Amino acid sequence: GQQLNQSPQSMFIQEGEDVSMNCTSSSIFNTWLWYKQDPGEGPVLLIALYKAGELTSNGRLTAQFGITRKDSFLNISASIPSDVGIYFCAGHLNNDMRFGAGTRLTVKP
Amino acid sequence: EAQVTQNPRYLITVTGKKLTVTCSQNMNHEYMSWYRQDPGLGLRQIYYSMNVEVTDKGDVPEGYKVSRKEKRNFPLILESPSPNQTSLYFCASSSPGRGNTEAFFGQGTRLTVV
Repeated sequence: GQQLNQSPQSMFIQEGEDVSMNCTSSSIFNTWLWYKQDPGEGPVLLIALYKAGELTSNGRLTAQFGITRKDSFLNISASIPSDVGIYFCAGHLNNDMRFGAGTRLTVKP
Repeated sequence: EAQVTQNPRYLITVTGKKLTVTCSQNMNHEYMSWYRQDPGLGLRQIYYSMNVEVTDKGDVPEGYKVSRKEKRNFPLILESPSPNQTSLYFCASSSPGRGNTEAFFGQGTRLTVV
C-alpha cells in the first residue's frame, strides 16, 4: 500500500540547532499529523493539520500542510536533549491512516 | 487518566500457537485501530473499528483477526502466528472530533514468533 516518503531517515544535531524534516506522498490527504515516539513508548501526537496551506505551531514545533495536500514539513527550533526520539508523519483520508518510516533524531548536548 | 492499555507488553511464542493481545481504552472513543511497526516501514494499519461490531481491514490484515464486542475493548487475535508476524504492535483509539484522525496509542506489545 501507499506509504509516505519521510526524510531524512536520521539526524544528528547539536543542542540549540534547528531541525527540519518533511514528508511527501503521491496521493492527497485531508489531514496531516506529526507524532513523536520515545524509546519503549507509543507515538504521541504533536501537531495535527486540517487545511491545505495551514501553518501551525506548538511551542518550539512548527508544521505546515502543503498546498498540494501531498506534503508536510515539521520544524523544531532550538533543539534540546529531550527532543531525542523518532518523529513520524501521518496522512489521513477516509479512515485510512498512512505513516512515514520515521526520522530518528539524536541531539548532542 | 486517559489511556490505551495493551497486554502483554512482551510476548515470545511458537509458530502456530494461537494468541490474543488485548487492548482497552477508557476515553469512550468509538474508533479503534491496530498497527504493526517494523524497522524502515513505520506503522502500518492492520484493522480498524468504527464502532461496536463494526470492523474493517487496514493495509496489512492477513494473518490477523479482531473483534469489537464492546466499545472499550479491541483485541487482536493471531490464530496461527508465523515468524513474519514478529513485530511491535500498537493499539490506538481516536477522538470523534476531526474525523477520528487524532490517535492515542498504547505502549506497544513486542511479539516474537519462533
